[in-house]
Amino acid sequence: GNSVTQMEGPVTLSEEAFLTINCTYTATGYPSLFWYVQYPGEGLQLLLKATKADDKGSNKGFEATYRKETTSFHLEKGSVQVSDSAVYFCALSQFTGGGNKLTFGTGTQLKVEL
Amino acid sequence: DGGITQSPKYLFRKEGQNVTLSCEQNLNHDAMYWYRQDPGQGLRLIYYSQIVNDFQKGDIAEGYSVSREKKESFPLTVTSAQKNPTAFYLCASSIQGNFISYNEQFFGPGTRLTVL
Repeated sequence: GNSVTQMEGPVTLSEEAFLTINCTYTATGYPSLFWYVQYPGEGLQLLLKATKADDKGSNKGFEATYRKETTSFHLEKGSVQVSDSAVYFCALSQFTGGGNKLTFGTGTQLKVEL
Repeated sequence: DGGITQSPKYLFRKEGQNVTLSCEQNLNHDAMYWYRQDPGQGLRLIYYSQIVNDFQKGDIAEGYSVSREKKESFPLTVTSAQKNPTAFYLCASSIQGNFISYNEQFFGPGTRLTVL
């Protein structure tokens, strides 16, 4: 079955540092890939997505490139802010007879300090 | 404003009691989903519904039940058969997907259930 593996946290960075959160996946065919963000006590928000190989998703300074050859979708940001502190989830989606379902990674907590 | 509402935000129940979590959306979405979130385990799918009066089990449906009598509502009942119900429950919705395109899932703010 499908699975998503992402680096364990917490990841602690100083403000303006470079961020990378690794994500790899296992799936048959051509899934769509996503990064969701969860701020404390809230639901999930879609951060960015990519629907085919070599696509780059980007939003709010975050980027991720769909790499089929390495089955990866690593999240990057050049300069993090304290307000980026949250839990980040990598996920994939494939259409099955039962509709579009998301498979999530376990989440990576990011803490950004001044 | 369009969106998904879940109520209550915090819920306490005694062991052996059934409890129902509310999920309402005004996005005119056909599909709705229930997830359970536990620390260190990400989100796991409990049930989902693609259309009114129809729903399917997800990966961890045992001890849960749902109904979909209206397009905008998808309540989840946590029954006494659920062995470890303390968790954060998230509801989501999307337009109906197809094999060509993915449709973004929109999430509610969640309900934290604690069994005493």
